[in-house]
Amino acid sequence: LAKTTQPISMDSYEGQEVNITCSHNNIATNDYITWYQQFPSQGPRFIIQGYKTKVTNEVASLFIPADRKSSTLSLPRVSLSDTAVYYCLVAGMDSSYKLIFGSGTRLLVRP
Amino acid sequence: DTAVSQTPKYLVTQMGNDKSIKCEQNLGHDTMYWYKQDSKKFLKIMFSYNNKELIINETVPNRFSPKSPDKAHLNLHINSLELGDSAVYFCASSQEGRQETQYFGPGTRLLVL
Repeated sequence: LAKTTQPISMDSYEGQEVNITCSHNNIATNDYITWYQQFPSQGPRFIIQGYKTKVTNEVASLFIPADRKSSTLSLPRVSLSDTAVYYCLVAGMDSSYKLIFGSGTRLLVRP
Repeated sequence: DTAVSQTPKYLVTQMGNDKSIKCEQNLGHDTMYWYKQDSKKFLKIMFSYNNKELIINETVPNRFSPKSPDKAHLNLHINSLELGDSAVYFCASSQEGRQETQYFGPGTRLLVL
């Protein structure tokens, strides 16, 4: 049972801002929203995490509306090296929670 | 100083064989996981171990068995390999109670012929 819905793919150009939205209508009170990045032939890598409102780090920003039913990963001024698959994970600290990453969003950054 | 490592990186074998994949983490984490990523890139949890105790056991065939000699290692043993087992298997780890933040290994690409 998929917990999150993301676009299958997105295209962008170098220097643009990219926003990837994830829908998670059934998010639970104790769930956090975490985004991972995966390059070909590598394991997923943690990018950013949030619970509500806005979170920003040196790599990206994460926008979460008040109802928390969606979230948007924002990548400022993408470069070719940002071409990867981006996964949205909704999970809580409850150890019995099912962890399903879904199929992710394939971002292609063009020159 | 690799955080989460897996061996082997590639594994090609024939149907019916038994194989193991090893995973080690040097992050001091208490919880480790195994994931299967299929050709469509879905990443699905298979097992996790916390302090040598299985805490998640998804509906995977009992041909798959995780073995954890200590909290820094979680190996995956697969009996009677089938064609459908071909996939990339990822090991991950996290702090206890922080499964929403995981650190992944590089993956093991298994091909069953």
